[in-house]
Amino acid sequence: NAGVTQTPKFQVLKTGQSMTLQCAQDMNHEYMSWYRQDPGMGLRLIHYSVGAGITDQGEVPNGYNVSRSTTEDFPLRLLSAAPSQTSVYFCASSRLAGNNEQFFGPGTRLTVL
Amino acid sequence: AQTVTQSQPEMSVQEAETVTLSCTYDTSESDYYLFWYKQPPSRQMILVIRQEAYKQQNATENRFSVNFQKAAKSFSLKISDSQLGDAAMYFCAYRSANGAQKLVFGQGTRLTINP
Repeated sequence: NAGVTQTPKFQVLKTGQSMTLQCAQDMNHEYMSWYRQDPGMGLRLIHYSVGAGITDQGEVPNGYNVSRSTTEDFPLRLLSAAPSQTSVYFCASSRLAGNNEQFFGPGTRLTVL
Repeated sequence: AQTVTQSQPEMSVQEAETVTLSCTYDTSESDYYLFWYKQPPSRQMILVIRQEAYKQQNATENRFSVNFQKAAKSFSLKISDSQLGDAAMYFCAYRSANGAQKLVFGQGTRLTINP
């Protein structure tokens, strides 16, 4: 049981490049989400999903796309990277109902030059 | 929209002493959950303790306990017998009991343990 995995752990991009951050979980969780962490601002929700084929925007969705074709995977796409997207990105998953713990991945540190 | 505020960017405590981290939140909802997460230098987010708003009894997990004041919208974390391994960023988080499991985080408090 690997929990929540994220790849890559580190990434450097140039402005305008695109890339996909991968997130996978093996706990059969319905709910998955992406957060970004910036100094002094805590974690902010980018996008979330309550099941395969269902996604919705969080607090800071601009510049990011997501899709959920399977229960296990929830990739985050940066279509045209900007320096403002330099951040640490966390994926999390949990059961949908009740007071269930959210399990976080190890994070991806992204730098956009 | 709900907001969570941690007014102490940094705190420090002597090893074996007790420290309290503050958290306030704003919501119009009556049913919700509150959490404290620990983030050590490894960057991994670790759940420390959780509290259901409908429960009057304060949650406790070993050396960690909370002081939940619903009317004041306050949710502080007390760490007793502080250990060097407690050094980390601590985040307070809110989640509505209705709808999806979206977490709203505070800005974080960096806790230093002095040996």
